[in-house]
Amino acid sequence: LAKTTQPISMDSYEGQEVNITCSHNNIATNDYITWYQQFPSQGPRFIIQGYKTKVTNEVASLFIPADRKSSTLSLPRVSLSDTAVYYCLVGVRNGGSQGNLIFGKGTKLSVKP
Amino acid sequence: DAGITQSPRHKVTETGTPVTLRCHQTENHRYMYWYRQDPGHGLRLIHYSYGVKDTDKGEVSDGYSVSRSKTEDFLLTLESATSSQTSVYFCASQGVLSYEQYFGPGTRLTVT
Repeated sequence: LAKTTQPISMDSYEGQEVNITCSHNNIATNDYITWYQQFPSQGPRFIIQGYKTKVTNEVASLFIPADRKSSTLSLPRVSLSDTAVYYCLVGVRNGGSQGNLIFGKGTKLSVKP
Repeated sequence: DAGITQSPRHKVTETGTPVTLRCHQTENHRYMYWYRQDPGHGLRLIHYSYGVKDTDKGEVSDGYSVSRSKTEDFLLTLESATSSQTSVYFCASQGVLSYEQYFGPGTRLTVT
């Protein structure tokens, strides 16, 4: 199973771009990289998923180098409402017969005014 | 957002009593999951289901059992609750062609 390593916490200020890097040295060929966001007292919420190169949606961008051993979630111009825990997951794309989606401890992002 | 609910939202129970948590989804999703979340541990998978009556163990399944008699319902049972099972429990569902898990609002369980 591909485990992930990400910083425990990060601080930022409103309006800045935030980049959270995740290491996944043992990623398998069929694995995708997925990021979730979790606010206090809520369940996690899907942000973005990618396999290689770059993926962008209305919320974030995901950068994946050619060797896929790491990935970077980029949040443009964060606001106070982006304060949350961000989880990096590595696993197969479709549903859970493998049961191998592992949520690590995540990165607690604190955005200050 | 997918319609996924959990009940109860909060529960306090005594050590040794059985407890059942319910997860209900209205999206006809094939896959369902139960996680627990504890400070310093992130989310950990307890059990998952890949169809009606088809379930399997996750990372921290000891002391828990599950059942899925209908597509929309996934039950988590603590046969004999212990203080170590005090936690926040999240249910999630996922469609066959979907790569996104949809999470419920969570159940905060306290075992005294």
